[in-house]
Amino acid sequence: KNEVEQSPQNLTAQEGEFITINCSYSVGISALHWLQQHPGGGIVSLFMLSSGKKKHGRLIATINIQEKHSSLHITASHPRDSAVYICAVRINDMRFGAGTRLTVKP
Amino acid sequence: GAVVSQHPSRVICKSGTSVKIECRSLDFQATTMFWYRQFPKKSLMLMATSNEGSKATYEQGVEKDKFLINHASLTLSTLTVTSAHPEDSSFYICSARDPGQGFSYNEQFFGPGTRLTVL
Repeated sequence: KNEVEQSPQNLTAQEGEFITINCSYSVGISALHWLQQHPGGGIVSLFMLSSGKKKHGRLIATINIQEKHSSLHITASHPRDSAVYICAVRINDMRFGAGTRLTVKP
Repeated sequence: GAVVSQHPSRVICKSGTSVKIECRSLDFQATTMFWYRQFPKKSLMLMATSNEGSKATYEQGVEKDKFLINHASLTLSTLTVTSAHPEDSSFYICSARDPGQGFSYNEQFFGPGTRLTVL
């Protein structure tokens, strides 16, 4: 079993829809990251969380340490949000989820 | 956010040659840099952790003699793929930790990646 599980694996949405991507992990962590990987491969760090909730523009990330679960929400999704979203947790090193491929159609 | 650059962005080489990839933190000093590889449609895999002035720590299964890492300064780490073979073809990404980012002890900033193709 992977230490970091993401769902869904693939997600297609219509422009404007509210998007939720989930991440569950099985071990104690010091921090959780949400990353965005664009089709060219470039990676942007969206959030780093250790508790609670963070918001940046249309993106919201939450984490529940007790339940070992985090969610990434995108409000009013747009085609430019199409990317692979990766959850990563910090234990002694970084462990990555398999990613969620999001396609937002106009 | 902080900026990390990688060079080159793409490289094609012949089997048996060595390839050097550079990772630079442009506006901060990175005491720790990380090297990852990613196979097509697969998740990132951490290869090694590089601390300035000391030997890199390699993940299990990563050949240290194959993937030479040098972190000679607080702004530069290099990954050299020695005697490259087609199976080394992959997307290599570095990240750097900026200890100046407040609580962000774990904050990492990613480079744009280097696509290596070994013929």
